[in-house]
Amino acid sequence: NAGVTQTPKFQVLKTGQSMTLQCAQDMNHEYMSWYRQDPGMGLRLIHYSVGAGITDQGEVPNGYNVSRSTTEDFPLRLLSAAPSQTSVYFCASTSAQNTEAFFGQGTRLTVV
Amino acid sequence: GENVEQHPSTLSVQEGDSAVIKCTYSDSASNYFPWYKQELGKRPQLIIDIRSNVGEKKDQRIAVTLNKTAKHFSLHITETQPEDSAVYFCADQTGANNLFFGTGTRLTVIP
Repeated sequence: NAGVTQTPKFQVLKTGQSMTLQCAQDMNHEYMSWYRQDPGMGLRLIHYSVGAGITDQGEVPNGYNVSRSTTEDFPLRLLSAAPSQTSVYFCASTSAQNTEAFFGQGTRLTVV
Repeated sequence: GENVEQHPSTLSVQEGDSAVIKCTYSDSASNYFPWYKQELGKRPQLIIDIRSNVGEKKDQRIAVTLNKTAKHFSLHITETQPEDSAVYFCADQTGANNLFFGTGTRLTVIP
């Protein structure tokens, strides 16, 4: 049981490049979410999904896209990276029965 | 949107002393209040949580209190140890399992 797995752990992008941050969970959780963590600002919700085929915007969705084709996977796409997207990104999952959020190990993204 | 404020941003205590971190929230519909601990370079991990129908919860050296009327909740750590040094985040949940986090408190326990 791996829990929530994120890849990659580190990534450097040039401004304008695109990439996908991968997130997978093996706990059969319905709810998945993406957060970004910036110094002094805590974790802010980017996008979330309450189940396969359903996604919605969080607090800071601009510049990011998501999809949820399966229960297990919830990738985050940056279509045209900007320096303001330099951050640590965390994926999390939660079951419908239990409100505890389980986080992935994080992806440190630098956009130059 | 929901606003969670957390104080202080940094806290230093001597080993064995107590530490208290306070948070306030704005949405009266919030019904779940977890606390997460994040060590340097690691993922946030749940240490204790409380639901809106409970005023206090304790787990060994850690306790959380909730005042729904005042919309604030607090984390209390007693008999602090060096391994308690980390960043602590409060959060609340309003619906759809969305968590809104405070800005974090960096706790340093001085041996």
